[in-house]
Formats: sequence, structure tokens, C-alpha cells
Amino acid sequence: GDSVTQMEGPVTLSEEAFLTINCTYTATGYPSLFWYVQYPGEGLQLLLKATKADDKGSNKGFEATYRKETTSFHLEKGSVQVSDSAVYFCALRVNQGGKLIFGQGTELSVKP
Amino acid sequence: NAGVTQTPKFQVLKTGQSMTLQCAQDMNHEYMSWYRQDPGMGLRLIHYSVGAGITDQGEVPNGYNVSRSTTEDFPLRLLSAAPSQTSVYFCASSGQGLGNTEAFFGQGTRLTVV
Repeated sequence: GDSVTQMEGPVTLSEEAFLTINCTYTATGYPSLFWYVQYPGEGLQLLLKATKADDKGSNKGFEATYRKETTSFHLEKGSVQVSDSAVYFCALRVNQGGKLIFGQGTELSVKP
Repeated sequence: NAGVTQTPKFQVLKTGQSMTLQCAQDMNHEYMSWYRQDPGMGLRLIHYSVGAGITDQGEVPNGYNVSRSTTEDFPLRLLSAAPSQTSVYFCASSGQGLGNTEAFFGQGTRLTVV
């Protein structure tokens, strides 16, 4: 079945460091791919998305490219800030009823 | 700009009690879903709905019931709570089509079953 695998955390970085969180997926058909972010005590917010192969989603300095050949959607940011500390979820959507399939989440902690 | 509203935010139940988690959205979305979030397991789909009167099971439906009598509301019922249902529950809604793939989430309900 469809699934998402993302790198385990927690990930601890110093401010201004480069961030990569790996995400790979298996899916039948042509899913849309997402990164969601969850700040402490809050719900999930969409960070970025890509709906077809080679699309690049970007927002708030974060980027991810939909790579069909490697079935990947890795999240990157060139210079993280303390305010980026959160849990990041990679997800895919199959078109049956808007269902989302999530990875297990990666906790990011950025130290000053 | 309410978006997706969940109530209550916190709840403690005794084993065997029943309760309903409420979810309402004001975006006229066709799709609504319930997820539970457990440490190290991401979010897992409990039930979902593609429109009023239509519901289906997700990955972990046992112990939960849903109904969808209106487009706006999608309540989740626990008929006889068990400690294994201690979790954080999220409701989400989204529209149809490639241009409406984003799902909007509520703030969550933290449920503890003792």
C-alpha cells in the first residue's frame, strides 16, 4: 500500500545551519506531496506542497522537489532559525477522498 | 476565518465511558477526516468522508464511529473508551481537485483515558 518514510529525529542544529529532512514514498498512481509543520501545542499547518513530478514547493525559506525517479520529497532550508523548531511531517495525498498518509514526523530543535 | 474547529481541546475519560469529539468546518469542503497522533507514529487515519451521508474507514477505525449528516460537521464517537485510545485527535478538511489538495487541520483534542 501507499506509505511515507522520513528520517527519524530528533534533529538538533545550531542557528544558521543547513537543514535536510529526508522523505521517500511509495504510492500507486500520481500522488500530491506535502510537508506539514507542527509547532508545540498546535495543530498542523501546511508548509509547502507539490502536485506533480519535478515541481518545487517553497515557503518561508524551505524547499522540496518532487522527484518521481527516486520517489523522494526531501525538505531543505539553507539557514535555520530558532523559530523553526517544530515537528515536520511529510505526507502524500491519494485522490480517494482526500486521504493523507503521513510519515512518522521529525522533530527539529534549533539552538542559538 | 474559523477554518476547522474542534471541541473540546482537552478531555479525560474513564474506561468504558462514551463521548463525541466535535469537528466543524466553514469552508464548504467536501472531504473531512479524523486522525490520531501518537508518539513516533505520525498521524494515522481513523475515518474519512467524501461528502454528506458518505463515510469510510481508514487505517485504525476500531472503537470509533462517525457520521456526516451535513457538509459542515463530522463528529467522532467513542462508544466505550479504552486506555489505548489515549491520543491527540485531529480533524481535517479539504476540497476536491488538484487545485484544492491542501488539508486544513483543527487545533486538536488531547484525550486521556484512565
